[in-house]
Amino acid sequence: AQSVTQPDIHITVSEGASLELRCNYSYGATPYLFWYVQSPGQGLQLLLKYFSGDTLVQGIKGFEAEFKRSQSSFNLRKPSVHWSDAAEYFCAVGGRGSTLGRLYFGRGTQLTVWP
Amino acid sequence: NAGVTQTPKFQVLKTGQSMTLQCAQDMNHNSMYWYRQDPGMGLRLIYYSASEGTTDKGEVPNGYNVSRLNKREFSLRLESAAPSQTSVYFCASSEEVILSSYNSPLHFGNGTRLTVT
Repeated sequence: AQSVTQPDIHITVSEGASLELRCNYSYGATPYLFWYVQSPGQGLQLLLKYFSGDTLVQGIKGFEAEFKRSQSSFNLRKPSVHWSDAAEYFCAVGGRGSTLGRLYFGRGTQLTVWP
Repeated sequence: NAGVTQTPKFQVLKTGQSMTLQCAQDMNHNSMYWYRQDPGMGLRLIYYSASEGTTDKGEVPNGYNVSRLNKREFSLRLESAAPSQTSVYFCASSEEVILSSYNSPLHFGNGTRLTVT
C-alpha cells in the first residue's frame, strides 16, 4: 500500500542551526516526491519536487532534499534555519501517470524556531 | 494574481445544518480538488474534478457532495453537518489531473476552518 511516514511530529531548532526533516515512503512504482510547507493560516505551498535524474533537488527558500531509493527516503534539509521557516511541512508521494488526486500526504512535521 | 480563492474563511454550524464551501481559481486549470485537514492526519482527499463536468470520489467522500459549476469554480456541500466534519477544508487546483514531470503541482487556497457543534 502507498503511504508516507514523517516520523517527527514536532521539531524545535535554534535560528541559524541546520535542519533535517525526515520522510519515508512506500510506493509500488517509481515515485514522484514533493515537499510542501504550510504557514499558519495559509494553504500549502510547494517547496520542491523530485521526478527523476539528480537525486539532490533544490527548492525555494534555500531548501533541498535528497532522494535515496535504497532507503525509500526523501529528507528535507536546510543549512541555516531562519525564524520565518517556522511552519508545518508535508511530504507527499505520487506516481507517474497517476492522478494528482492520488497524491499521498504524510501527517506533517511542525517546525518551531527559537531566536 | 489571486490563485485559488476559498470562501468563507471561518464558519460555525450546528449539527444538521447545511452549507456550501466555495472555491474559485483564476489560473485556467482543468482539475480541482477538495481536501480536509485534521490534526495529525495530514491531508485527505474528499472529491476531485479532473475536468469541467466530471467529479470523482476521493478517500473520504461520505457526508459531502460537490459541484463543478464551470472551469473556475468547484463547490463542496455539507447537506447535514456532523461534529466529525469539524476540520479545515482546502481547495486546490492543477493544470491537469495526471501527474507528470510536465505538470505544475497542486495550488492550494488558504482554507476554510469549519466547526460543527
